[in-house]
Amino acid sequence: EDKVVQSPLSLVVHEGDTVTLNCSYEVTNFRSLLWYKQEKKAPTFLFMLTSSGIEKKSGRLSSILDKKELFSILNITATQTGDSAIYLCAVEKNRDDKIIFGKGTRLHILP
Amino acid sequence: DAGVIQSPRHEVTEMGQEVTLRCKPISGHDYLFWYRQTMMRGLELLIYFNNNVPIDDSGMPEDRFSAKMPNASFSTLKIQPSEPRDSAVYFCASRGTSGPSRYNEQFFGPGTRLTVL
Repeated sequence: EDKVVQSPLSLVVHEGDTVTLNCSYEVTNFRSLLWYKQEKKAPTFLFMLTSSGIEKKSGRLSSILDKKELFSILNITATQTGDSAIYLCAVEKNRDDKIIFGKGTRLHILP
Repeated sequence: DAGVIQSPRHEVTEMGQEVTLRCKPISGHDYLFWYRQTMMRGLELLIYFNNNVPIDDSGMPEDRFSAKMPNASFSTLKIQPSEPRDSAVYFCASRGTSGPSRYNEQFFGPGTRLTVL
């Protein structure tokens, strides 16, 4: 059975800290790994990763994929209170229109 | 574009009542997805449509759940009869098709928070 596992499930840090969120997966016919940020409403897309070892970066957020070890990390540096959200990892499969989501990491940044 | 539109935004009902959730996808998108999100189970895909046709409903939990897409701009998710364990946030998402070499991002609606008493 396909699965996506995220850790930790929740995390509380102080503003300015750096955090690393983890995502491991076991799926057949892997195509890409996706990261989403969910604040109070709907998930919004952050990154898509398809190749191992190539870092994707957007401001203070960055992510990398390891297709051999089947995991990805999402790093957030110099965290701000606005980074508080649920971060969702998901996997897209070849020849399948579905996305399989992990349960998310609930990140809370203390001022 | 207004994005994916869902209604109602909040629904409180009593056990046994029928609940209908509505979704209007982004114009031109040919895929529509219904998800349910709870703390315990995370974000789960219930069913998805392509060109108004249901493709995979394996995530629909029980016969009490049904979904329709009568045209390209409207879909409903119905629960009859509703139960307290159906309480969750229900999201609708849509995406287009740009070819195999591009990622076709799913755009989510704001969700409907359902509470069944």
